[in-house]
Amino acid sequence: ETGVTQTPRHLVMGMTNKKSLKCEQHLGHNAMYWYKQSAKKPLELMFVYNFKEQTENNSVPSRFSPECPNSSHLFLHLHTLQPEDSALYLCASSQGGQNDQPQHFGDGTRLSIL
Amino acid sequence: DAKTTQPPSMDCAEGRAANLLCNHSTISGNEYVYWYRQIHSQGPQYIIHGLKNNETNEMASLIITEDRKSSTLILPHATLRDTAVYYCIVRGDNNNDMRFGAGTRLTVKP
Repeated sequence: ETGVTQTPRHLVMGMTNKKSLKCEQHLGHNAMYWYKQSAKKPLELMFVYNFKEQTENNSVPSRFSPECPNSSHLFLHLHTLQPEDSALYLCASSQGGQNDQPQHFGDGTRLSIL
Repeated sequence: DAKTTQPPSMDCAEGRAANLLCNHSTISGNEYVYWYRQIHSQGPQYIIHGLKNNETNEMASLIITEDRKSSTLILPHATLRDTAVYYCIVRGDNNNDMRFGAGTRLTVKP
């Protein structure tokens, strides 16, 4: 139990569907992150939120739309995805963005695009 | 821009200490060394981190060389549940990106 909960754990969707991934952290942190982990590739940072404000967007396609309504919740809205978007999507949180604060990860959502 | 290098794999007997090595010869003075592990079908699990001094917690010990160019993660009594991929990461100021490389696949054998 890491204190970061992601739902759903598995998601299969067609390219025309719209779905959302949810992340909730119970650690009192104020920074939250979305990462993508594809097979045989390192983790890729997608988005960063500090105190509910987006501070980083690493050239992520617009078919991925993040939302951070408060410091404890983070969403990733998906629409018109491509087969290459199939991956493990990981959420993480930390106490601030300083480099001496570890990020704590959830167990991810395994996304498959048909 | 890989800042760390790790052996791709290692085996360890159950109950023995597992020593995992990481080279980070280009590390800067304000960069921290982090260790995570990832068990299949789970997210990365934070283990330990340090700047200059050796660190110990309930999971592991981190030994950083005096020149900071390498570090060793020590699992004092490895169990079968410690089988995972272990990642060493160097993280600088204002760097949100945890740059996971290929890691070391540790297999603990009975």
